[in-house]
Amino acid sequence: GQNIDQPTEMTATEGAIVQINCTYQTSGFNGLFWYQQHAGEAPTFLSYNVLDGLEEKGRFSSFLSRSKGYSYLLLKELQMKDSASYLCAVSRPGGQNFVFGPGTRLSVLP
Amino acid sequence: GAGVSQSPRYKVAKRGQDVALRCDPISGHVSLFWYQQALGQGPEFLTYFQNEAQLDKSGLPSDRFFAERPEGSVSTLKIQRTQQEDSAVYLCASSLGLAEETQYFGPGTRLLVL
Repeated sequence: GQNIDQPTEMTATEGAIVQINCTYQTSGFNGLFWYQQHAGEAPTFLSYNVLDGLEEKGRFSSFLSRSKGYSYLLLKELQMKDSASYLCAVSRPGGQNFVFGPGTRLSVLP
Repeated sequence: GAGVSQSPRYKVAKRGQDVALRCDPISGHVSLFWYQQALGQGPEFLTYFQNEAQLDKSGLPSDRFFAERPEGSVSTLKIQRTQQEDSAVYLCASSLGLAEETQYFGPGTRLLVL
């Protein structure tokens, strides 16, 4: 089976840095995606990692270690609008190409 | 269109009714996906189309669920004889080419079965 784990909830303060972890065990692996989803809205694409290492994109960075089955999303200079769910998804070959984790609900407090 | 659109945005059905949910993918996108998302959970895969061909329907929970994409663009997800456990948000996503590429999601249809 496919298994992806993320913390259920996290809380952080405006202006701070937060790291959201994701561990995965899947049959096959092409790459790992992070999506942001505000309540009642569509998931929106944040980042994609296929090779080990850190990908930086503005205030958001994503890290991947394929050998450890581990990724994290790093959010810097947190803003209130960053309060949302963050979904980790593994892209794999074959059927059910995208497997999503349960999502991490982040609350940013003033 | 500029993005993936879905209709209706909200649907209330009585148990036993049939419902049809529509998805308009981004123009030119080859791959189309349907997901079911329960409250507080990540999206769960239902089915996948490449153009008009349904290549994977392994996530459909029962034979009451049926999806089609007859001309390789618009897709419809049909649920027959709805049950209360079908209540969820149904998300549609499309990607430009291969299934492994970045998926772009629509706003979803929130289905409530009473």
